[in-house]
Amino acid sequence: GDSVTQMEGPVTLSEEAFLTINCTYTATGYPSLFWYVQYPGEGLQLLLKATKADDKGSNKGFEATYRKETTSFHLEKGSVQVSDSAVYFCALSDKGDKIIFGKGTRLHILP
Amino acid sequence: DVKVTQSSRYLVKRTGEKVFLECVQDMDHENMFWYRQDPGLGLRLIYFSYDVKMKEKGDIPEGYSVSREKKERFSLILESASTNQTSMYLCASSLSGEGGDTQYFGPGTRLTVL
Repeated sequence: GDSVTQMEGPVTLSEEAFLTINCTYTATGYPSLFWYVQYPGEGLQLLLKATKADDKGSNKGFEATYRKETTSFHLEKGSVQVSDSAVYFCALSDKGDKIIFGKGTRLHILP
Repeated sequence: DVKVTQSSRYLVKRTGEKVFLECVQDMDHENMFWYRQDPGLGLRLIYFSYDVKMKEKGDIPEGYSVSREKKERFSLILESASTNQTSMYLCASSLSGEGGDTQYFGPGTRLTVL
């Protein structure tokens, strides 16, 4: 079945460092891909999405490119801030309206 | 903005109690979902609903039931709470069809069963 694998955390970086969180997927069709973020004490919120190969999703300085050939959707940010500390979930939607989530990566940014 | 609200942020119950978790969304979404979130396991789908009075089992429905009597409200019921149901419970909603792949989440209910 469809699945999402993302790098395990926690990831700890200093402020202004470059961030990459790896995500790969397995799907039988042509899924939409997402990154959701969960700030402390809150529910998940959509960070960015891409619906077809080579699309780039972007929001709040974060970017991810849908790579069909490598079945990947890695999250990147050029310069992280303390306020980016959160849990990040990679996800896909292939059949209908259900979403399959990765296990999440906790990110700590040190001032 | 879409708003999904959950009836409680924190809940403490005793083993064997019947527990109701309520979720309400205000954007006329057709689809609603209940997940539980546990460390190291991510989000797991318990039940979902595509329409009023309709329900579908997710990946881990055992020990849970749901009710959707009105479009905006989706309730999760623990018939007889057990300690292994201690978890964070997240409700979400989405449109059907185009745009339906984006889910909007409530703030979560952290349930502790003693």
